[in-house]
Amino acid sequence: DAKTTQPTSMDCAEGRAANLPCNHSTISGNEYVYWYRQIHSQGPQYIIHGLKNNETNEMASLIITEDRKSSTLILPHATLRDTAVYYCIVRVATYNFNKFYFGSGTKLNVKP
Amino acid sequence: DGGITQSPKYLFRKEGQNVTLSCEQNLNHDAMYWYRQDPGQGLRLIYYSQIVNDFQKGDIAEGYSVSREKKESFPLTVTSAQKNPTAFYLCASISRGSGNTEAFFGQGTRLTVV
Repeated sequence: DAKTTQPTSMDCAEGRAANLPCNHSTISGNEYVYWYRQIHSQGPQYIIHGLKNNETNEMASLIITEDRKSSTLILPHATLRDTAVYYCIVRVATYNFNKFYFGSGTKLNVKP
Repeated sequence: DGGITQSPKYLFRKEGQNVTLSCEQNLNHDAMYWYRQDPGQGLRLIYYSQIVNDFQKGDIAEGYSVSREKKESFPLTVTSAQKNPTAFYLCASISRGSGNTEAFFGQGTRLTVV
């Protein structure tokens, strides 16, 4: 599976949109982009995923560039509870499973 | 409720002892994974299993062992050969399919060597 690059940390004001970038320049055509977040000392929580098209759910939006080499996770109105580490992962879409890798993620600090 | 359960939440081990961490899922998922997380770091893959009675080493398998005798269970044993076992351990599971499915994680076991 392709590897990802994310900034180490970001700050966001409460109530504003948080835009978290991810670079996955070696992504191949059958790899999905997944986003998870981890609040301190808990298991990672699934947020959203996509292949080519932009996706939106009740938690967030995922914008994938046309060449699929990067993506942005958008939390439209960040709250203090969104403070967490956010992981961007790419995973191959095959019937059999391979490893999937978590990088170091982005620590999002939402400030009042 | 369907989910993935890790136990215990906190575990203390004396140096030189083996210890087994439990991971159980009732989601009917085929694949299961074990990760290790050190403070301020990301998750590193220890072992994974795609199907019952089959498992593969991840990137940091030395000093660990696993078994997959039942679909629901994927226990991890931290052996005395693991020189730095103090860490947060996470188990995950995922259903077999097109790849368009997310992984579910347990709440983790924090292992401390005393």
